[in-house]
Amino acid sequence: QKEVEQDPGPLSVPEGAIVSLNCTYSNSAFQYFMWYRQYSRKGPELLMYTYSSGNKEDGRFTAQVDKSSKYISLFIRDSQPSDSATYLCAMSGGSYIPTFGRGTSLIVHP
Amino acid sequence: SAVISQKPSRDICQRGTSLTIQCQVDSQVTMMFWYRQQPGQSLTLIATANQGSEATYESGFVIDKFPISRPNLTFSTLTVSNMSPEDSSIYLCSVSRGDEAFFGQGTRLTVV
Repeated sequence: QKEVEQDPGPLSVPEGAIVSLNCTYSNSAFQYFMWYRQYSRKGPELLMYTYSSGNKEDGRFTAQVDKSSKYISLFIRDSQPSDSATYLCAMSGGSYIPTFGRGTSLIVHP
Repeated sequence: SAVISQKPSRDICQRGTSLTIQCQVDSQVTMMFWYRQQPGQSLTLIATANQGSEATYESGFVIDKFPISRPNLTFSTLTVSNMSPEDSSIYLCSVSRGDEAFFGQGTRLTVV
């Protein structure tokens, strides 16, 4: 079993839809949880960063962490074609070196 | 945040040759990281580069194949040596600020 599991998709949704992206993990030592967005031919860029269980909101994006279930989610409200990208979850136990999921490809069509 | 410049952005190379990828950070950092990202796969850490000491390689990666230099606190290079088609991948430079990782735009390498 991989430490971090993430469905690669692709996930195709219409513009305006609510998108839910998810990762599960097995390492209880993970304390820091991140979501990265990677456009084609670009490096990953940090989108959201959370430390504790619960929700964190930033504009149209909400990151959710459930440590008891070892499950994290990223919700995108009112999705736009410009949100089309690969979304990678990442997590660490404070070692400065995150463990990444394989990424979920999201396509938002007009 | 951190601004990371990586070059070349892409290259097509003949098998058996070597390519050196450069990474420049806009401020001093203790550790720089090199990752490989193969299609449909997660980012795989190749090595951690500290200034003034040899790089620390992850399991499956060796110095002879991926020599790394770290001459100062803002710059590092990764060389992919004696390339084969299996080395075709995206190579990414990264630095950390606290627990957050930041990446360069990546080098898309195709070996033919």
